[in-house]
Amino acid sequence: GAGVSQSPRYKVAKRGQDVALRCDPISGHVSLFWYQQALGQGPEFLTYFQNEAQLDKSGLPSDRFFAERPEGSVSTLKIQRTQKEDSAVYLCASSYDTGFTQPQHFGDGTRLSIL
Amino acid sequence: DAKTTQPPSMDCAEGRAANLPCNHSTISGNEYVYWYRQIHSQGPQYIIHGLKNNETNEMASLIITEDRKSSTLILPHATLRDTAVYYCIVRVRQNYGQNFVFGPGTRLSVLP
Repeated sequence: GAGVSQSPRYKVAKRGQDVALRCDPISGHVSLFWYQQALGQGPEFLTYFQNEAQLDKSGLPSDRFFAERPEGSVSTLKIQRTQKEDSAVYLCASSYDTGFTQPQHFGDGTRLSIL
Repeated sequence: DAKTTQPPSMDCAEGRAANLPCNHSTISGNEYVYWYRQIHSQGPQYIIHGLKNNETNEMASLIITEDRKSSTLILPHATLRDTAVYYCIVRVRQNYGQNFVFGPGTRLSVLP
């Protein structure tokens, strides 16, 4: 019964570098979400996948942010040309299906620090 | 989108019941109320959700008022490990996904 797994747990990068954050959802979960959490605030929605289809990317803050889930399982959030304001915890969540009553199960996040 | 209002912080004595209030006066008929909590350096943890009836599970009870404009999460016997930020969320249906809209939550401190 593994939960949502995210890696790396911590990532430090220099401004301008590209980073890739990985999410392993709970096996068989159809829906996958990415959230960004700034220090002292609640998580904010970034993007949503249903299987391999990215159906909502309205929360991505800029075109430097890109997410994919090519086989409908593992997902990667990529940030290009990182900026200091990208420093945050990036959370991934999955749910069993697309039903309105399904809770999302969160990973422990990747803490990204941009120097 | 229905918004929620929670007190920013609360204290509770260990072993006592913790009652966390939430106002969601603009909730619509098919929107669920969800509660999550987040312990430092961890991801949000699902606690409970409900539509209009009271709900109970092994973690907590959820009491929703008849007009559904407010709810209360009850931790019956709070322990030190229940110290966390508690988020009350109304589930928003948006496009294809049903993402959560988190507010700042209530920081619950359980005191020995």
